[in-house]
Amino acid sequence: GQNIDQPTEMTATEGAIVQINCTYQTSGFNGLFWYQQHAGEAPTFLSYNVLDGLEEKGRFSSFLSRSKGYSYLLLKELQMKDSASYLCAVMGSNYQLIWGAGTKLIIKP
Amino acid sequence: DAGVTQSPTHLIKTRGQHVTLRCSPISGHKSVSWYQQVLGQGPQFIFQYYEKEERGRGNFPDRFSARQFPNYSSELNVNALLLGDSALYLCASSPDGTATYEQYFGPGTRLTVT
Repeated sequence: GQNIDQPTEMTATEGAIVQINCTYQTSGFNGLFWYQQHAGEAPTFLSYNVLDGLEEKGRFSSFLSRSKGYSYLLLKELQMKDSASYLCAVMGSNYQLIWGAGTKLIIKP
Repeated sequence: DAGVTQSPTHLIKTRGQHVTLRCSPISGHKSVSWYQQVLGQGPQFIFQYYEKEERGRGNFPDRFSARQFPNYSSELNVNALLLGDSALYLCASSPDGTATYEQYFGPGTRLTVT
């Protein structure tokens, strides 16, 4: 079957660094996406990985290991506005996006 | 430039009724995908359309149907509504629906079935 796992909830302190992990088992692989979703809003795109390695974009970085079926999203210099759910999604062989349940990130002052 | 638009924003229906949700993609985008998101969960894939053809269908009953029009807008229809259909319905557009481009999401339609 197809499965994407990520922690349900994480807590971090403003100004700190947090790593959100995602493991996946899917039929085919055409890339892994990270989206941010604030409560009551639509998801917004953060990053895309299709090759192994680290992609850096400002305060956010995303890592992929295809052999391990593993990715992480790294958020640096946390700000209160980063409090949101972070969704990991894999595009399978049929170009369908398969989503994890999301990780709710709580930032404390 | 306008983003993805969806209508209506909110909707309340009774069990057994049917509903039509509408989506207009970003100008130039030819692919539209529909997702159902239940509170506290990630989106679940329902359909993807590209160039007016169904490209993919998720694990949803036949009560769910969709279509894409020549102007690339799309409708999602749900018949014989059940309480469990209450959710946020998200529409996303992209240029071609592949992993080459990220999907851009509309604000969603919150459907409540009573």
